[in-house]
Amino acid sequence: DAEITQSPRHKITETGRQVTLACHQTWNHNNMFWYRQDLGHGLRLIHYSYGVQDTNKGEVSDGYSVSRSNTEDLPLTLESAASSQTSVYFCASSDLAGANTQYFGPGTRLTVL
Amino acid sequence: EDQVTQSPEALRLQEGESSSLNCSYTVSGLRGLFWYRQDPGKGPEFLFTLYSAGEEKEKERLKATLTKKESFLHITAPKPEDSATYLCAVPPNSGYSTLTFGKGTMLLVSP
Repeated sequence: DAEITQSPRHKITETGRQVTLACHQTWNHNNMFWYRQDLGHGLRLIHYSYGVQDTNKGEVSDGYSVSRSNTEDLPLTLESAASSQTSVYFCASSDLAGANTQYFGPGTRLTVL
Repeated sequence: EDQVTQSPEALRLQEGESSSLNCSYTVSGLRGLFWYRQDPGKGPEFLFTLYSAGEEKEKERLKATLTKKESFLHITAPKPEDSATYLCAVPPNSGYSTLTFGKGTMLLVSP
């Protein structure tokens, strides 16, 4: 069955370190998204991609970057982790253009000390 | 700015006690309204998409309805396993395939 996976599921890091969260989907979807979820804020879009070599900034992109070198993967990098980036991160993917259903991964809980 | 507001923030029901969750939106030219269920420690799971006022969709004890300003998720005779956070989302006025999510309604159904 097609799926979307994230790794690691839990990560503890220190302020200032670079961190990369992995997202891999086997749906063969063109569109991929990264969100963070915090109490009181809900899901907020960080970055998204509509295909290979395409990346776009979302609502809360400062301090984060993504790159898309193939259809299946969209890694999220925190260039210099900050305590404010402690959160749960979700990756999602969707097919086709326009408004369409996004399928989510299981999430990565990141703690920045 | 597009906005999605969900109410109530939290809802506690007894098993079998029916109720409704609300999702109001301000985006014009709606291109779909999405409902998701999220269990603790897991990613959101897709439930329904509604596209036009008057449309209804059902899944087990859940029924989603849509008007021009809001959507309701009706829960009939809920069971404890319906306990979860329910999220709604809409695409923005412009742009491609992104979604703006509400903050969710946390539902707890007690036996």
